[in-house]
Amino acid sequence: DAKTTQPPSMDCAEGRAANLPCNHSTISGNEYVYWYRQIHSQGPQYIIHGLKNNETNEMASLIITEDRKSSTLILPHATLRDTAVYYCIVRVVGSSGSARQLTFGSGTQLTVLP
Amino acid sequence: NAGVMQNPRHLVRRRGQEARLRCSPMKGHSHVYWYRQLPEEGLKFMVYLQKENIIDESGMPKERFSAEFPKEGPSILRIQQVVRGDSAAYFCASSLGRGSNTEAFFGQGTRLTVV
Repeated sequence: DAKTTQPPSMDCAEGRAANLPCNHSTISGNEYVYWYRQIHSQGPQYIIHGLKNNETNEMASLIITEDRKSSTLILPHATLRDTAVYYCIVRVVGSSGSARQLTFGSGTQLTVLP
Repeated sequence: NAGVMQNPRHLVRRRGQEARLRCSPMKGHSHVYWYRQLPEEGLKFMVYLQKENIIDESGMPKERFSAEFPKEGPSILRIQQVVRGDSAAYFCASSLGRGSNTEAFFGQGTRLTVV
């Protein structure tokens, strides 16, 4: 399985952009990068996912390097409610071509400071 | 469009009793995943089901745990003869299909406490 490496914790000032890095150097060509977050033991919340192009939605932007070995999740204007554990996940594709389950690592604890 | 619904939100069971956790996927979703989160630990995959089929149960404990997703009704995670170590948050997620480009959405979980 492709593994991801994330810093265990980060701080960000309220109103500033939060940039969360993720390394996935063993990613395969057909594997997507997913980001989820978990706010204080609530259910994980889907944020965004991508394959090789940069993606943007109402929550965040995802920047994937050209070699796909790393990515960055950007929260453009962080608020206190964005304080959470953020998980970067590489979704493995099985031999049949179907996606396997999401495998959560330790994630990054993002703390947004007032 | 309602999200993934789990019930009960909180469940207290005495040691030796059975726990039944229910998960209703999002409308139109036929794939369900169950995860367990022990206190102060990460999310661990348990089982992946499609309607009437178990696709992957590699994360399920060998004994006392079972899961089903019938043609009609919610998915059920059943824990027989619960022990204190089963106390955890149990989350389910649902997705539209099996493609790697298909996001999964999680419910708010069931907190099981075994006393």
